[in-house]
Amino acid sequence: SQKIEQNSEALNIQEGKTATLTCNYTNYSPAYLQWYRQDPGRGPVFLLLIRENEKEKRKERLKVTFDTTLKQSLFHITASQPADSATYLCALPASGGSYIPTFGRGTSLIVHP
Amino acid sequence: DGGITQSPKYLFRKEGQNVTLSCEQNLNHDAMYWYRQDPGQGLRLIYYSQIVNDFQKGDIAEGYSVSREKKESFPLTVTSAQKNPTAFYLCASSRDRAGTNEKLFFGSGTQLSVL
Repeated sequence: SQKIEQNSEALNIQEGKTATLTCNYTNYSPAYLQWYRQDPGRGPVFLLLIRENEKEKRKERLKVTFDTTLKQSLFHITASQPADSATYLCALPASGGSYIPTFGRGTSLIVHP
Repeated sequence: DGGITQSPKYLFRKEGQNVTLSCEQNLNHDAMYWYRQDPGQGLRLIYYSQIVNDFQKGDIAEGYSVSREKKESFPLTVTSAQKNPTAFYLCASSRDRAGTNEKLFFGSGTQLSVL
């Protein structure tokens, strides 16, 4: 069955550095992949969508890559700030026909001042 | 402001009781979804609706029921058959049906706990 893997350990970095989060998936070839941000006790907020024919997507300090050969997406935040501290979720359309977004468990990012 | 409103923010359920979580959207979106989130876990799909008066089971529908009588509203009932209901429940919507690259808009969630 389809599986989405995100590092369950929190990522701790210093302010100003680049944070890189990883999303790996198996048993599927999705047409696109999405990244969301979730703050404690809140619903996720959409950040970026990247399609299978796109290698890279940028939005302000955010950059997403999508390697369909490695079955991996990397999410980068450059010049990170303490306000970037949150959990970041990747989502793929489910296989089997519904295409409903299926989420990884997320990776917690903590940016230290 | 347009968005999705979930209520209540916190809900407590007694043994054998059914409880209903409210979800309303004023985005004029066709599709709506209910997810469940447990600590340290990803979101798991409970039910979804692509259009009024139609809904489909997700991965963990047992012990839950929904209705979609109006485009704006997609309430979720947690029945007494759901033996482990304690979780954070998230309602979401998308402009179009799934499979069209549509992003999801989420509500702020309801934390359900068992007394």
